[in-house]
Amino acid sequence: AQTVTQSQPEMSVQEAETVTLSCTYDTSESDYYLFWYKQPPSRQMILVIRQEAYKQQNATENRFSVNFQKAAKSFSLKISDSQLGDAAMYFCAWWGTYKYIFGTGTRLKVLA
Amino acid sequence: DAGVIQSPRHEVTEMGQEVTLRCKPISGHNSLFWYRQTMMRGLELLIYFNNNVPIDDSGMPEDRFSAKMPNASFSTLKIQPSEPRDSAVYFCASIWGSDSYNEQFFGPGTRLTVL
Repeated sequence: AQTVTQSQPEMSVQEAETVTLSCTYDTSESDYYLFWYKQPPSRQMILVIRQEAYKQQNATENRFSVNFQKAAKSFSLKISDSQLGDAAMYFCAWWGTYKYIFGTGTRLKVLA
Repeated sequence: DAGVIQSPRHEVTEMGQEVTLRCKPISGHNSLFWYRQTMMRGLELLIYFNNNVPIDDSGMPEDRFSAKMPNASFSTLKIQPSEPRDSAVYFCASIWGSDSYNEQFFGPGTRLTVL
């Protein structure tokens, strides 16, 4: 069975600094997708970034980038130049063969 | 577009009562997901529809839960009878196409409290 593990329940970062959120997963499938979603206090889930497993190049979206290590089954999210609006729960998710598996989330606090 | 619409936004009911949650996906999206979110278990996928057909319902916790999608613009999640442990936030999400690399658009969720 597939699993997604986020080992950091909570992280803090100073405004304008960089923070990395960890995610590891376990799967026997070779073709899958990985995502990071953000859930602010409003509860609205928002896609942050996504990665196709067959692509070796790490995805980047403005201040957000990932470090995808397929062999290690690791998919970490780096947030550069953190802003107060980045404070939220962040969920790592895996998709393959009609299964969406979410991690338990990491709460990110941004300190002014 | 109004986005994914869920109703009600909040529901408080008593144990044993029937609860129906509703979802209207974004027009043109043909895949729909129901999730449940709790502090203890995080975000769990309950069921996934593609073109109104249930593809995977292995996440539905038990027979008290049922979901339907009678047409492309409407889905329901029903709990009968409800129990206090069903208290959670229930999300509906939709995507365009069946390729789930596409972004999931989530609704605002329904917060269910079963007393």
